[in-house]
Amino acid sequence: EVQLVQSGAEVKKPGESLRISCKGSGYSFTSYWISWVRQMPGKGLEWMGRIDPSDSYTNYSPSFQGHVTISADKSISTAYLQWSSLKASDTAMYYCARHNYDRPHFDYWGQGTLVTVSS
Amino acid sequence: DIQMTQSPSTLSASVGDRVTITCRASQSISSWLAWYQQKPGKAPKLLIYKASSLESGVPSRFSGSGSGTEFTLTISSLQPDDFATYYCQQYNSYSTFGPGTKVDIK
Repeated sequence: EVQLVQSGAEVKKPGESLRISCKGSGYSFTSYWISWVRQMPGKGLEWMGRIDPSDSYTNYSPSFQGHVTISADKSISTAYLQWSSLKASDTAMYYCARHNYDRPHFDYWGQGTLVTVSS
Repeated sequence: DIQMTQSPSTLSASVGDRVTITCRASQSISSWLAWYQQKPGKAPKLLIYKASSLESGVPSRFSGSGSGTEFTLTISSLQPDDFATYYCQQYNSYSTFGPGTKVDIK
């Protein structure tokens, strides 16, 4: 069974750093890209960027370039999304999803990680 | 960047109604479009990919059509489980989601 399991909810203060994770199982992790998607409270879905776990090649949406870093460790089938200095506006639910060239749509999604940034 | 729009933003309907949601792209995306359903507190669920292909396990009352810049998602007979928010997504050039259409009870 294909699964993407994300790390648990986080509560952080502005200026703190954070890394959340997305662990894939039930498929060849290096055969699919992982994308990250933001959903701010009560709002729609925003694509942030993606990573090819086979070589860690990344692409970012211009809206998120420079604000977050996407990485992966293929040895443990895990992708990451990290911030070096959180802002209150980073409060949102974050989802990971998998896709590849044969199936470029997002067919499996993680359950989401809620990040709350508040002083 | 490719921009996506959806209409309507909210749709009130009754069980058994035929429902149609429209999605438009700012430039041609061929058929590289997907539709997702999202319920409160849950991850999005893939319904349709490549504009008109039904994802495995998705009820046949869902269908998609279109190509180029204009696309539609149709629910042939709305069921109680279908009240949710629906998003289109282009993946012709990276990825962009539409703003969503909330289908609620009339």
